[in-house]
Amino acid sequence: ETGVTQTPRHLVMGMTNKKSLKCEQHLGHNAMYWYKQSAKKPLELMFVYSLEERVENNSVPSRFSPECPNSSHLFLHLHTLQPEDSALYLCASSREPYSSYEQYFGPGTRLTVT
Amino acid sequence: KNEVEQSPQNLTAQEGEFITINCSYSVGISALHWLQQHPGGGIVSLFMLSSGKKKHGRLIATINIQEKHSSLHITASHPRDSAVYICAVGPFTGNQFYFGTGTSLTVIP
Repeated sequence: ETGVTQTPRHLVMGMTNKKSLKCEQHLGHNAMYWYKQSAKKPLELMFVYSLEERVENNSVPSRFSPECPNSSHLFLHLHTLQPEDSALYLCASSREPYSSYEQYFGPGTRLTVT
Repeated sequence: KNEVEQSPQNLTAQEGEFITINCSYSVGISALHWLQQHPGGGIVSLFMLSSGKKKHGRLIATINIQEKHSSLHITASHPRDSAVYICAVGPFTGNQFYFGTGTSLTVIP
């Protein structure tokens, strides 16, 4: 039990669809993260939230829209994606939004854009 | 050039072998993390260290801050150790990690 859950685990969507990824953490952490993992590439940080406020946005295209309604839930809204957006999307949380704190990862959502 | 370099990229070992995975980084860091990712995607944090050495079961992690280098050792390897091992560093400033591309380990019975 990692304490971080993600839904759905798999998602196939067309380029004109709108879908959302959901992440929930049951660890009482203050920081939550979205990462993208593409084949043969390092994990890429997309967004960081601390106590529901976005503190980091790594030049992510606007077709990815995060939402953090409270410190336990994080969403990633997807619209008009491109095939190159196909990847594993991982959510993580940590006690505080600093790199000296251990991160706890969810199982990921495998996204395929057709 | 990636701030974090891992070697080897792929590693195949016989069960029982001693395994070493290396990580070099180019930035000043507050902490270095070793992560394990099994097929299917889930990532588990193995170690977080900022100096010296840590041991957990058959896993040992060391770091040399002056040389900007860390190693992950697995003693008496087992097929269930087969996974991708990822090195990540947290720089002094900011709140993100830099990740290596991972080392894919396969342990053959």
